[in-house]
Amino acid sequence: KQEVTQIPAALSVPEGENLVLNCSFTDSAIYNLQWFRQDPGKGLTSLLLIQSSQREQTSGRLNASLDKSSGRSTLYIAASQPGDSATYLCATSNAGGTSYGKLTFGQGTILTVHP
Amino acid sequence: GAVVSQHPSRVICKSGTSVKIECRSLDFQATTMFWYRQFPKQSLMLMATSNEGSKATYEQGVEKDKFLINHASLTLSTLTVTSAHPEDSSFYICSARQGATAAYGYTFGSGTRLTVV
Repeated sequence: KQEVTQIPAALSVPEGENLVLNCSFTDSAIYNLQWFRQDPGKGLTSLLLIQSSQREQTSGRLNASLDKSSGRSTLYIAASQPGDSATYLCATSNAGGTSYGKLTFGQGTILTVHP
Repeated sequence: GAVVSQHPSRVICKSGTSVKIECRSLDFQATTMFWYRQFPKQSLMLMATSNEGSKATYEQGVEKDKFLINHASLTLSTLTVTSAHPEDSSFYICSARQGATAAYGYTFGSGTRLTVV
């Protein structure tokens, strides 16, 4: 069964700082990995989708990397802003085992960027 | 991009009544949709997979008679919480994927906050 872990659970940084969020998964049989953002009381907004054959994806100030063999992904946020404050979730789309065809989520990283 | 619309965003109902939540894919057809439940300060818990034209597949521990799922068209799935009780109060979120595989990722609705009084 796929297990996804995110570190740190919470992060508080001053505005302008570059930061890295970590995600690890136990089963490398994945189609892809997706990073989401969730604001309080809201649904999930997709940030980046990395296919299993890809090493990284970039969108604006966001860069996500994937090392499938070691079961790791990182989300890099450059020049953080207060508007980046949210919970960040990573999720694997699973290609095998009992989690086949489903998303498995990490517990999330709560990011606070203070002015 | 792909958009999933979920309604209502917030509902308060009396204990013992039923509540229906709708999930629509606005600009793509979704043969498969997913329903999640989220408790405060926790991640998403998959409740069931909704398949167009067939019965939903429920995760272990989820009561299928309490959480009725209907996926009657390629753009609409509904979740009905029957005989709701206060312990059913939660945040419910749906998602959909384009196509039969996960190649394009998943798109989520904005969620429904259910409060049972």
